[in-house]
Amino acid sequence: AIRMTQSPSSFSASTGDRVTITCRASQGISSYLAWYQQKPGKAPKLLIYAASTLQSGVPSRFSGSGSGTDFTLTISCLQSEDFATYYCQQYYSYPPWTFGQGTKVEIK
Amino acid sequence: EVQLVESGGGLVQPGRSLRLSCAASGFTFDDYAMHWVRQAPGKGLEWVSGISWNSGSIGYADSVKGRFTISRDNAKNSLYLQMNSLRAEDTALYYCAKFSAAAGGGYFDYWGQGTLVTVSS
Repeated sequence: AIRMTQSPSSFSASTGDRVTITCRASQGISSYLAWYQQKPGKAPKLLIYAASTLQSGVPSRFSGSGSGTDFTLTISCLQSEDFATYYCQQYYSYPPWTFGQGTKVEIK
Repeated sequence: EVQLVESGGGLVQPGRSLRLSCAASGFTFDDYAMHWVRQAPGKGLEWVSGISWNSGSIGYADSVKGRFTISRDNAKNSLYLQMNSLRAEDTALYYCAKFSAAAGGGYFDYWGQGTLVTVSS
């Protein structure tokens, strides 16, 4: 199975900050990567697929980039509603579909 | 509006069985593959099982293979997960997720709110 590793596992940031989360695959996955946001007590929500395509309705302050093994999720101007845990997920080789361990974005 | 509503979770003793259900609405259910993804308390997401639109293709995580069985009833717009020989490590919130096929494979574009399964004596 392809292993997905996110960094950092958690960090603190302030409203208005530009933040970047990294996801690394254990082998090349082309651009077959999705990003999800999960708020406490809520189901995950799809943000980005195909590494950089924004899901309908997702604010443009979210962006994704990368291909092969290294990917990033960037929030250009952090808003209060963006404090959450973010997961990457590969869909290059399956089953199993695999997720990163998550990155928790906390309020500084 | 896509809605996925899971049910059937609860407290169960190790070795016993439980059947989860997911009622789908707001989309043409039999056009899409469906999956189960779980999340242990305080942990990350783990894919459990998936089933194609016509039940012709089914997959399981190694951790549940031989114990769990996924199925669907397109006439009832419902997805199921039969869980046998439950273990403490199966304790998790189980999400039903709609699969969006895409180049390369696919991802999960809608999720239910989950149903909690607790395996404990």
